[in-house]
Amino acid sequence: AQTVTQSQPEMSVQEAETVTLSCTYDTSESDYYLFWYKQPPSRQMILVIRQEAYKQQNATENRFSVNFQKAAKSFSLKISDSQLGDAAMYFCAYTSGGTASKLTFGTGTRLQVTL
Amino acid sequence: AAGVIQSPRHLIKEKRETATLKCYPIPRHDTVYWYQQGPGQDPQFLISFYEKMQSDKGSIPDRFSAQQFSDYHSELNMSSLELGDSALYFCASSLRGKGSYEQYFGPGTRLTVT
Repeated sequence: AQTVTQSQPEMSVQEAETVTLSCTYDTSESDYYLFWYKQPPSRQMILVIRQEAYKQQNATENRFSVNFQKAAKSFSLKISDSQLGDAAMYFCAYTSGGTASKLTFGTGTRLQVTL
Repeated sequence: AAGVIQSPRHLIKEKRETATLKCYPIPRHDTVYWYQQGPGQDPQFLISFYEKMQSDKGSIPDRFSAQQFSDYHSELNMSSLELGDSALYFCASSLRGKGSYEQYFGPGTRLTVT
């Protein structure tokens, strides 16, 4: 079974600084998809960024970028120029696609942004 | 852009009662997923439907059932409710037939069982 591990329960970053959230996963599949979701206090699940395993290039979405290391099964999220609105719970998620395209989530990292 | 719609947003039921949660996916999305998120936990997959057929099943209790209708909306039926069923229930949708596995979540239904 696939597992997703987020080893940082909480992180803190100062406004305008950069922070990296870690995620590792375990799978025997060669083709799969990875995501980062943000869950603010409203509890809405917001898709932040995605990465296809077959792509070597790291995904980037504005201030958000990933460092995808397929051999190490590592998928970290970097948030640049942190803003107060970035404060949230961040979940790393995995799916193998195909018929079993359910998401398996990590336990989340709570990010605090301070002035 | 249209998003996933869930109703009701909040629901309070007593033990042993029945609840029905509804989900309206993003237009043209062909796959619907249901997740349960307990307090302080990550979302756990319950069940999914692709083109109105059940495609995958997770840790969904036998007391729960779900279906997807011809207009692609989905309903999660929960019977003999227990206190432990109190949680946030998310519906998500994706366009799996086009090879997109991005799942877009609705705002969730907060179920409280008393």
